[in-house]
Amino acid sequence: AQSVTQPDIHITVSEGASLELRCNYSYGATPYLFWYVQSPGQGLQLLLKYFSGDTLVQGIKGFEAEFKRSQSSFNLRKPSVHWSDAAEYFCAVALYNQGGKLIFGQGTELSVKP
Amino acid sequence: KAGVTQTPRYLIKTRGQQVTLSCSPISGHRSVSWYQQTPGQGLQFLFEYFSETQRNKGNFPGRFSGRQFSNSRSEMNVSTLELGDSALYLCASSAEDPGQGGDQYFGPGTRLLVL
Repeated sequence: AQSVTQPDIHITVSEGASLELRCNYSYGATPYLFWYVQSPGQGLQLLLKYFSGDTLVQGIKGFEAEFKRSQSSFNLRKPSVHWSDAAEYFCAVALYNQGGKLIFGQGTELSVKP
Repeated sequence: KAGVTQTPRYLIKTRGQQVTLSCSPISGHRSVSWYQQTPGQGLQFLFEYFSETQRNKGNFPGRFSGRQFSNSRSEMNVSTLELGDSALYLCASSAEDPGQGGDQYFGPGTRLLVL
């Protein structure tokens, strides 16, 4: 079945430590891939996306993500986490010719320890 | 440019009532998508409107409906509310389809509580 999986429901990291959030997808063709962040009580903010080309994409707030076709993964990384990064992170996919429909993973909640 | 706006931000209704939520997209965006977010089911796609036509529909009952006006503003309606309809309803707009590399921008959401 077509799906987007974020295996980690909740992750806690110390401020200044590196971060990697995992995302796997299961689709016949390579979808277009997105990472969004949601702070409490807020809507979703787009961090970055993969459309084509270079498999390492840079986003806002110092985030980057790497697309690995062989692993059907699109993991989000940040070298040094700040307390303000505490939020929920969602991986999403869009399929060609599916218009404005995004399919989301279940989300990973990030907590940051001082 | 102003972002996506949604009204109202909070709403309390009782079972059996109906509700209408409103979304104003970013100026120039013709696509408006709606999502339901709940703790149990996560973010689920409801439907999408493009140039006043429903272009995509998610797997929700017919009680959920929507429309889009000529100025791209959109409304969604839920009739005969059930307790399970309590959720954050998010609206998003885009100039180009995410499925063609476009970015989808989200509003702050309307939090609906059904008692």
